[in-house]
Amino acid sequence: QVQLVQSGAEVKKPGASVKVSCKASGYTFTSYGISWVRQAPGQGLEWMGWISAYNGNTNYAQKLQGRVTMTTDTSTSTAYMELRSLRSDDTAVYYCARYFDWLFFDYWGQGTLVTVSS
Amino acid sequence: AIWMTQSPSLLSASTGDRVTISCRMSQGISSYLAWYQQKPGKAPELLIYAASTLQSGVPSRFSGSGSGTDFTLTISCLQSEDFATYYCQQYYSFPPTFGGGTKVEIK
Repeated sequence: QVQLVQSGAEVKKPGASVKVSCKASGYTFTSYGISWVRQAPGQGLEWMGWISAYNGNTNYAQKLQGRVTMTTDTSTSTAYMELRSLRSDDTAVYYCARYFDWLFFDYWGQGTLVTVSS
Repeated sequence: AIWMTQSPSLLSASTGDRVTISCRMSQGISSYLAWYQQKPGKAPELLIYAASTLQSGVPSRFSGSGSGTDFTLTISCLQSEDFATYYCQQYYSFPPTFGGGTKVEIK
């Protein structure tokens, strides 16, 4: 069965960086892409960007350009999302989600809480 | 970016009710719309894509309709496990965007 398993919760200080992992199993990793979506406490869903697991191409939300990097390791079927220069409003649950061709998401990771606090 | 207006933001209903949730776009998106269900502390789950195609494993009491700018999610007979928050999402244009959510609570 398809599974996306994310790394554990993180607490970071403002200005620091965080790197969240998302390990895929149950399907051919390079046949799908991975998007990252975040959700601030009590708020809605915000799409952050996508990465093709086939060729590593990426596309990021404009507001995160320059602060976010998405990568994959096809040898371990793992996707990564690194967010730099963290601010308090980056506090959120970060989800990885699988997409095939169009950008809707059929499987999601369990979420990783990132707390940014001094 | 395409703006999405989801309504209502809060819906109070009873088990067995028929409920409808609306999602309106700022511009036409053909049928490139998905619906998700999210329960507290859990990741969203895909219910419907292409406006009306039921994702595998989703109960048939869920249905979607619409095209262009106006879309609807209908739950024909609300069950206890359906009390959750629902989001629409357009994937017609970049960036993909989500509606603000509709929380379905017990009346």
